[in-house]
Amino acid sequence: DIQMTQSPPSLSASLGDKVTITCQASQNINKYIAWYQQKPGKAPRQLIRYTSTLVSGTPSRFSGSGSGRDYSFSISNVESEDIASYYCLQYDNLPLTFGSGTKLEIK
Amino acid sequence: EVQLQQSGAELVRPGTSVKLSCKVSGDTITAYYMHFVKQRPGQGLEWIGRIDPEDDSTKYAEKFKNKATLTADTSSNTAYLKLSSLTSEDTATYFCTTWAGGYPFAYWGQGTLVTVSS
Repeated sequence: DIQMTQSPPSLSASLGDKVTITCQASQNINKYIAWYQQKPGKAPRQLIRYTSTLVSGTPSRFSGSGSGRDYSFSISNVESEDIASYYCLQYDNLPLTFGSGTKLEIK
Repeated sequence: EVQLQQSGAELVRPGTSVKLSCKVSGDTITAYYMHFVKQRPGQGLEWIGRIDPEDDSTKYAEKFKNKATLTADTSSNTAYLKLSSLTSEDTATYFCTTWAGGYPFAYWGQGTLVTVSS
């Protein structure tokens, strides 16, 4: 199984900051990584697929990059509505595996 | 607009089974692989498995092979997750979600909370 090591577990940011979350896969996942936002009590929402492709409705302040084993997800100009947990998902191989999540809080 | 409507919360006894439903509207269920994801309280997301409603083929994460059974009914556009031999470790919210083409988990149900307690 491919392990996804996500860091940091939590982030505290001020409004307007840029924050970055990383996911490292235990093997090459060929850019097949997606990023999800989850607010308390809600289902996850897809933000990015295939490393850097924003899905419809995702604000442009969200971005993704990476290749091979190493990937990152960033939010520029953090807004209050971005308070949530964020997860990466590798979908290169079954079983699909998620990162452990990053909880974003506002200072 | 594609929507996934999941069945309501369940309180079940240890050792029993429960069957959860996920009804797709706005499209035909055969357009998607239907996946289920587990989330224990305060914890992260865990993939359980997926079913192809076209041919009922299934894939499961190893740890769920004797725990979960996925089925689908194309006539009602509904996917099902049955959980057996329930223990407190199965207390969680279970989500259904879709995969079509290069769009992994684009649509999600609202989740079903299963509480296992005597």
